[in-house]
Amino acid sequence: QSALTQPASVSGSPGQAITISCTGTSSDVDNYNYVSWYQQHPGKAPKLMIYDVSNRPSGISDRFSGSKSGNTASLTISGLQPEDEADYYCSSSTITNTFVFGTGTKLTVL
Amino acid sequence: QVQLVESGGDVVKSGGSLRLSCAVSGFTFGDYFMSWIRQAPGRGPEWISYISSSSGTIYYADSVKGRFTVSRDNAKSSLFLQMNNLRAEDTAVYYCARMRGDSFFWWGQGTPVTVSS
Repeated sequence: QSALTQPASVSGSPGQAITISCTGTSSDVDNYNYVSWYQQHPGKAPKLMIYDVSNRPSGISDRFSGSKSGNTASLTISGLQPEDEADYYCSSSTITNTFVFGTGTKLTVL
Repeated sequence: QVQLVESGGDVVKSGGSLRLSCAVSGFTFGDYFMSWIRQAPGRGPEWISYISSSSGTIYYADSVKGRFTVSRDNAKSSLFLQMNNLRAEDTAVYYCARMRGDSFFWWGQGTPVTVSS
């Protein structure tokens, strides 16, 4: 199972909005509405930000939103804040009852 | 509050074995599917296994199938990962995670495993 494809890096200024894409195949992203997104700060464990494409866990800011079209899912962060600077990973379930993560995107807040 | 604490990580020689544990608190362990996920240095997370609440359903990534075995003890609120025939490419931080549907809702802090040749 190949990793989902994400841009290596994105950047934005405080207050701006950015979008991170996550491209899979008909075996994963395109086949299920089970894409999730994780934020990881250096030296820390990943933290769930979005699940089932567009749902936010309790306590996650509504500046974070998710969507999906076909085999590509997207994470949008609006009103960028310095603390949003981190690595972001998408994940999807697959048709073989396994899970696959994305290649990861480093977000820099300028 | 929800807590997951992994332990058992160590430095081991290629071909060796390790058993990782994950002790949980703050929720009813037996109600949830659980997963093991690892992250090699400088790389993204890699899912390696999940186990259903009753242990009746277990899946592994191809990279560890036949070498790793996941198990759980609901009475002791603990998850385990037996790792045999370890290889250099198994070097990573290993996380346990509580699942909700098809997402990894809560993660432990991880335990490092280094396989030396």
